[in-house]
Amino acid sequence: GNSVTQMEGPVTLSEEAFLTINCTYTATGYPSLFWYVQYPGEGLQLLLKATKADDKGSNKGFEATYRKETTSFHLEKGSVQVSDSAVYFCALSDGGNTPLVFGKGTRLSVIA
Amino acid sequence: NAGVTQTPKFQVLKTGQSMTLQCAQDMNHEYMSWYRQDPGMGLRLIHYSVGAGITDQGEVPNGYNVSRSTTEDFPLRLLSAAPSQTSVYFCASSYTKGGGYTFGSGTRLTVV
Repeated sequence: GNSVTQMEGPVTLSEEAFLTINCTYTATGYPSLFWYVQYPGEGLQLLLKATKADDKGSNKGFEATYRKETTSFHLEKGSVQVSDSAVYFCALSDGGNTPLVFGKGTRLSVIA
Repeated sequence: NAGVTQTPKFQVLKTGQSMTLQCAQDMNHEYMSWYRQDPGMGLRLIHYSVGAGITDQGEVPNGYNVSRSTTEDFPLRLLSAAPSQTSVYFCASSYTKGGGYTFGSGTRLTVV
């Protein structure tokens, strides 16, 4: 079945540091890939997505590129801020009726 | 435009009690789903629906029932609450099969 594997956290960075959160997936066919963010006490918000190989999703300074050859969708940001502290989830959809499959999430803490 | 509304936000139940978690969306989305979020486990799919009158089981359906009599509403029923059902529950909806889902703010349930 489909699955998503994320790097384990927590990740602690200083403000303005470079962020990478690794995500790899297993799926049949050509899934769509997503990154969601969850701020403390809130629900999940869609951060960015990519629907086909080599697509780059971007939003709020975050980027991720759909790499079919390595089945990866790593999240990056060049300079993190304290306000980026949250839990980040990688997810996929295979386009069928089944909803999103999520990774276990990576908690990011950014300190000033 | 309220998006996805979940009620209640917090609930404490005694073992063996029943209750219904409410979920409503005003975006005319056909696809709706329920997830539970537990520490270290990410989000796990409980039940989902691809339209009014159609529901199916996800990864962890035992102890939960759903129905979808209207496009807008997708309630989740706990028949006889158990401590293992202590969790945060999220409802989500989407316009398309492979699209991004919009999440509610969650219901934090404690079973004692």
